[in-house]
Parts: sequence; C-alpha cells; structure tokens
Amino acid sequence: GNSVTQMEGPVTLSEEAFLTINCTYTATGYPSLFWYVQYPGEGLQLLLKATKADDKGSNKGFEATYRKETTSFHLEKGSVQVSDSAVYFCALLYNFNKFYFGSGTKLNVKP
Amino acid sequence: GAVVSQHPSWVICKSGTSVKIECRSLDFQATTMFWYRQFPKQSLMLMATSNEGSKATYEQGVEKDKFLINHASLTLSTLTVTSAHPEDSSFYICSAKQGATLTEAFFGQGTRLTVV
Repeated sequence: GNSVTQMEGPVTLSEEAFLTINCTYTATGYPSLFWYVQYPGEGLQLLLKATKADDKGSNKGFEATYRKETTSFHLEKGSVQVSDSAVYFCALLYNFNKFYFGSGTKLNVKP
Repeated sequence: GAVVSQHPSWVICKSGTSVKIECRSLDFQATTMFWYRQFPKQSLMLMATSNEGSKATYEQGVEKDKFLINHASLTLSTLTVTSAHPEDSSFYICSAKQGATLTEAFFGQGTRLTVV
C-alpha cells in the first residue's frame, strides 16, 4: 500500500541553524510528493511539491528533491528563523486521487 | 492560490447535541471536497470524499450516520457531527479540489470541536 514516514519530532533548533526533516514513502507507481506546513490553530498550507523523480521543489528557502532510488523527499533549509516554527507534513498524492500524509514533525526554532 | 474557508474556527457543544461545520471554496468551484480529522500530534486521517450532488464516500471505519456530509453546491460542503460525544472532540479540516484532476489540495483553516 501507500504510506509516508517522517521523522518524529519535536525538532528544536537555534535561529540560523540548518534544518533537515526526513521523509520516506512507499507507493505503487509514480506519486507526486508534497510538503505542507501547519501553523498553530490553522489548516495546512502548501510549502512545496515535486511531481516526478529528480524534481526539486523549493519555496521560502525550503527545498526538497524527489529521490526515486531512495524513495525519499527530505525537507531542508539552510538557515531557519523563529517564524518557521510550525508542524511540517510530508505527503504523497497517489493516482491524482488520494493524499497520504505523514504523522507530522513539529519544529521549534529558538532565538 | 485557491482559497478554502471553514466555519466556525472553533466550537464547543454539549454532549448529545449536533454541530455543523461548513467548508466553502471562495474563488473556485470545487466538485470534490475532502474531510479530514486530526488527532493531537498525529496526522490527518481522511474521513470522506464529498462530490457535489452525490453521496459522500466514507473511508473504512468512519460512521456514516455519525458524520453526515452534504455537498449541495459547487462551493459548499458541510459536515454534521450528530449526537456528539467527548471522543468526537478533534480538529476537523476540509480541503477542496480545483479542476478536474487532483494535483494539489487546498485546505481550510480547520475547526476545533470540543464536546463537553
């Protein structure tokens, strides 16, 4: 079946530190991959996406590369800010029909 | 990007009563909307897929009579939690599909339901 596994949090970093949140997936076929961000009390917002192998999605300094060989889509940012504190969800879209979400990783950035 | 609005943002209701949550697509027509439930510190669990003008498709384990979904127009879907109990307390999120093909999801801001 289809599933998404992401690293457990919370992840606590100091401002300007490097961020990596690991995400791996299991899927039949060729899904699209996404990172969504959820701020406290809010719904999910699309952060970035990639639709095929070797694509790199990027937005607001975040980036992730669709790695088919390792079935991964790790999220990275070179220098985090306090305002990046949120919960990050990795997700796959299977057959343009259904989303599968990871369990979410909470990021705390301290000044 | 497309905007999806949920109302209310939070609601407190007494055990045994029903509560309705609205999900609207503000700047596009959504033939399909999705309802998710999110438990604390957990991921989103798809409850049902709602298609305009037809019955919703529920995921396995979701009680149809408990969670009534209506998608009467291309811009509005509603979720009614009937005879709510404290275990129904959760964060409910809707999302909508723009266009014929699902290529990404647009989410509402969510509704925090607390049943006392």
